[in-house]
Amino acid sequence: SAVISQKPSRDICQRGTSLTIQCQVDSQVTMMFWYRQQPGQSLTLIATANQGSEATYESGFVIDKFPISRPNLTFSTLTVSNMSPEDSSIYLCSVVPSGMGDTQYFGPGTRLTVL
Amino acid sequence: GQQVMQIPQYQHVQEGEDFTTYCNSSTTLSNIQWYKQRPGGHPVFLIQLVKSGEVKKQKRLTFQFGEAKKNSSLHITATQTTDVGTYFCAGRNFNKFYFGSGTKLNVKP
Repeated sequence: SAVISQKPSRDICQRGTSLTIQCQVDSQVTMMFWYRQQPGQSLTLIATANQGSEATYESGFVIDKFPISRPNLTFSTLTVSNMSPEDSSIYLCSVVPSGMGDTQYFGPGTRLTVL
Repeated sequence: GQQVMQIPQYQHVQEGEDFTTYCNSSTTLSNIQWYKQRPGGHPVFLIQLVKSGEVKKQKRLTFQFGEAKKNSSLHITATQTTDVGTYFCAGRNFNKFYFGSGTKLNVKP
């Protein structure tokens, strides 16, 4: 298994500002993902965070809006840029530890409210 | 595009009743995972199914993967209040993971 922490756990931000969310894993993992979950909804994959290269974004998500860094195999950041109220959501990182098939372990999430 | 649908969207049961949620994919999946998300919590992995027709059990939970690897089900026998939460299936097609729409289970004591 893997233990994942996220910072901050929640934040309230003003429109037009940016917030960077950190995801830290207690072991080296190859696959790391960022998801968005609207209240009462399912999870939507934003991007795959690739170590040493640019993230792979899903349709509807772009690097300028959601820049992602992955400097090593245990850490990643997601920035929500130029925020609007529509960005209010829970943002979750997940990892797939080596040898665990496709089992994803999720961080506790960051609850973002944009005013 | 790829879609993974779950039914029902909501289910309210009396404690002790059984519960089943169904997951259907528009395309064949390499495997399928099931997750449980408690209110206010994050998704927690329950099980992974890989083989066509596979059935796995965890105490009162029974998971099944369809023969065509396009559908799956989760059955809970004699629900308890601790089973409350949203159950998601997730499938992999090539290098992408797709989460189902989820079934929210409420258990009345």
